[in-house]
Amino acid sequence: AQSVAQPEDQVNVAEGNPLTVKCTYSVSGNPYLFWYVQYPNRGLQFLLKYITGDNLVKGSYGFEAEFNKSQTSFHLKKPSALVSDSALYFCAVRDMRSGGYQKVTFGTGTKLQVIP
Amino acid sequence: EAQVTQNPRYLITVTGKKLTVTCSQNMNHEYMSWYRQDPGLGLRQIYYSMNVEVTDKGDVPEGYKVSRKEKRNFPLILESPSPNQTSLYFCASSPQGTDWVYNEQFFGPGTRLTVL
Repeated sequence: AQSVAQPEDQVNVAEGNPLTVKCTYSVSGNPYLFWYVQYPNRGLQFLLKYITGDNLVKGSYGFEAEFNKSQTSFHLKKPSALVSDSALYFCAVRDMRSGGYQKVTFGTGTKLQVIP
Repeated sequence: EAQVTQNPRYLITVTGKKLTVTCSQNMNHEYMSWYRQDPGLGLRQIYYSMNVEVTDKGDVPEGYKVSRKEKRNFPLILESPSPNQTSLYFCASSPQGTDWVYNEQFFGPGTRLTVL
């Protein structure tokens, strides 16, 4: 069975500092990984995704993620945090089952707080 | 505007009173899915549908039903709601196509359900 772990419930970072939100995964086949962001009282928005071959993925709003196969990780990063980045971040993995059926598993979410 | 809509946005009901939460998308997406979001548990997939008349269970299907009679609509039905189904519910959609595993999902704004 596939799984996603986000080990930190909350990450605090000062504005202007680099940020990292951690994600590790477990899948039986190839990983299809995504990051989503949820602002207060809103639905989730797509940030970026891992496509085979590119270990450093660039996404929306200056975010990027580093895929590490040996560590089964897909950490979200940004070189310089903004107060407006404060939100709830979710890592997700998409799985293809036999017969072509699909399932998506999300992590528990990490609240990012950027301190002015 | 391309979007996923959900209705109602807020609902307070009583135990045992059947209810339906509607979900509609205008992007001609084949894949649709329902999630519930609970504090500390992240998003958990309830049901998903790969196309009209094709549905499958996610991680937490008990107490829920779905139907996919039209491509654009994917209603979530609670036949006999119970207090443990109090949650924030999200509908999402994504295209299929050849590289479907890489496709991100588009989320609705959410439905906050309280079952007394």
